[in-house]
Amino acid sequence: SAVISQKPSRDICQRGTSLTIQCQVDSQVTMMFWYRQQPGQSLTLIATANQGSEATYESGFVIDKFPISRPNLTFSTLTVSNMSPEDSSIYLCSVRPGTSEGTQYFGPGTRLLVL
Amino acid sequence: GDSVTQMEGPVTLSEEAFLTINCTYTATGYPSLFWYVQYPGEGLQLLLKATKADDKGSNKGFEATYRKETTSFHLEKGSVQVSDSAVYFCALSGGQGGKLIFGQGTELSVKP
Repeated sequence: SAVISQKPSRDICQRGTSLTIQCQVDSQVTMMFWYRQQPGQSLTLIATANQGSEATYESGFVIDKFPISRPNLTFSTLTVSNMSPEDSSIYLCSVRPGTSEGTQYFGPGTRLLVL
Repeated sequence: GDSVTQMEGPVTLSEEAFLTINCTYTATGYPSLFWYVQYPGEGLQLLLKATKADDKGSNKGFEATYRKETTSFHLEKGSVQVSDSAVYFCALSGGQGGKLIFGQGTELSVKP
């Protein structure tokens, strides 16, 4: 398994501003993912962030809005840019260890409210 | 494309009742199947998984069997507790890039 922490755990932001969310893992993993969970909804994959390559974004998500960094095998950041109230969601990072048979382990999430 | 369909919620049960949450999937190839649980205000925790047909995953009294013939992975528990109140997500992993595809989630509320 893997232990994942996220910062901040929650935030309230004004529209038009940006927030950077950090994800820290207790072990080295190649595959890391960022998800969004809108209120009362399931999880939607934003992007896959593998170390050593550019992030791969899912349909409907773009780099200008959600830039991602992956400087090493234990850390990543997701920035939510030029926020609007529609960005109010829980943002979760996850990792897939190489021996996990597809299992992903999730961080506790960052609860974002945009006013 | 691959997809997961879950029984709609919310589901409300009395303590010690039997629980079934239905999950069916559509996938090419042979996906791994998962149940995740999200307690109020928390992230997702892996509850159980199965990686091939006829495998049974189990944890904390919950069970699910990978049924290839019916493309199902229903979650069951013989006697639920108030502490089981949470949202349960069925998911599969099988495509390129290790993506997880989630069902819509089923909210379970257990009353004393």
